Amino acid sequence: DAGVTQSPTHLIKTRGQQVTLRCSPKSGHDTVSWYQQALGQGPQFIFQYYEEEERQRGNFPDRFSGHQFPNYSSELNVNALLLGDSALYLCASSLGQGNEKLFFGSGTQLSVL
Amino acid sequence: KQEVTQIPAALSVPEGENLVLNCSFTDSAIYNLQWFRQDPGKGLTSLLLIQSSQREQTSGRLNASLDKSSGRSTLYIAASQPGDSATYLCAVNTGTASKLTFGTGTRLQVTL
Repeated sequence: DAGVTQSPTHLIKTRGQQVTLRCSPKSGHDTVSWYQQALGQGPQFIFQYYEEEERQRGNFPDRFSGHQFPNYSSELNVNALLLGDSALYLCASSLGQGNEKLFFGSGTQLSVL
Repeated sequence: KQEVTQIPAALSVPEGENLVLNCSFTDSAIYNLQWFRQDPGKGLTSLLLIQSSQREQTSGRLNASLDKSSGRSTLYIAASQPGDSATYLCAVNTGTASKLTFGTGTRLQVTL
């Protein structure tokens, strides 16, 4: 049973570029959440997708957008990259929108130069 | 706004010691609290989930307690091992949609 998988594992971009990160949820899960973790900090909630719609959003600008596909996989897009967007991006999956346990992927390390 | 604090920020103990990690949160209206382990540059591994109606959860050498009224949780690790070295994060869920608020973590090193 595959857990949460994310791709790519590492990515290097330059300021102003755009990036797309991908996530496949754990088998049987239908809800995907995205988190940003800066070095030495705890993860910060970006947004959550359920039934192909954004359901909740954290305090992140519109440069951060996402999508969920019919197979429950998800993408995180970041436009006009800033140096401060350098972080570990974590995807988490769960079943439904309740208070179920979250399962996290290994993350995508994004470096913006 | 929910804020989560973890003390200490870093801890070094010799192998075999029992230890306690602390987590406090400002808004007691939580649905659950979860403890995670994170190895350097890696994702999060869920250790224990405590629902708001529960007082504690145990898994192997780990025991987590929750005192919702005082806004505190502790993670107790018995007979620590070098393989326990990692950063431990606590996170609270104060609403639906699985939006977790994390602390900044306690970096644990267990020495031989």
